[in-house]
Amino acid sequence: SQQGEEDPQALSIQEGENATMNCSYKTSINNLQWYRQNSGRGLVHLILIRSNEREKHSGRLRVTLDTSKKSSSLLITASRAADTASYFCATGPHSGNTPLVFGKGTRLSVIA
Amino acid sequence: NAGVTQTPKFQVLKTGQSMTLQCAQDMNHEYMSWYRQDPGMGLRLIHYSVGAGITDQGEVPNGYNVSRSTTEDFPLRLLSAAPSQTSVYFCASSYSRRPTDSYEQYFGPGTRLTVT
Repeated sequence: SQQGEEDPQALSIQEGENATMNCSYKTSINNLQWYRQNSGRGLVHLILIRSNEREKHSGRLRVTLDTSKKSSSLLITASRAADTASYFCATGPHSGNTPLVFGKGTRLSVIA
Repeated sequence: NAGVTQTPKFQVLKTGQSMTLQCAQDMNHEYMSWYRQDPGMGLRLIHYSVGAGITDQGEVPNGYNVSRSTTEDFPLRLLSAAPSQTSVYFCASSYSRRPTDSYEQYFGPGTRLTVT
């Protein structure tokens, strides 16, 4: 069953604005990852944050992780039309051999 | 490196037919997996493998078989296709044998399958 749940399901913003997507999960994790999927393509890894980290940056991306609330957020600053895509969070298990579990994604539209 | 490759890109099957979706990676990754993606459902794990000769079931394994005879290849077999298997199928790989390690997954471009 799916562990991560993204919110909102869809988001529409103007170019230059910031976009924030949230992910909530249910069980203990080792790491949380964010992926992007352009229409008709495979997923591309964006950023990984470990359970002992609280914030991570990569270019215009900023990810936060709050393990006490079992939630993460992805912020894309100064969005561009090329950021239009679906964004998925995926959680890596704390123990065992269970693979990454993906959420259903947030569909982001950036209007030029 | 070609990364993760999948063939075919598109396939139409009739109910009851069988076929194999191919997946290969040239990164010497131990871990490989198959997902299906349906509208509004996100990605659901079908089968995965932590190394040659080792496979395990994911969330939705019924109707699918896998084998892993080499590190590079991880084919997915549909035994008797059903309309419910209409979906986009993605293969992915990562370096680590253990998903608890913090390694990203690399995805193939996907196979769009329609079963009529």
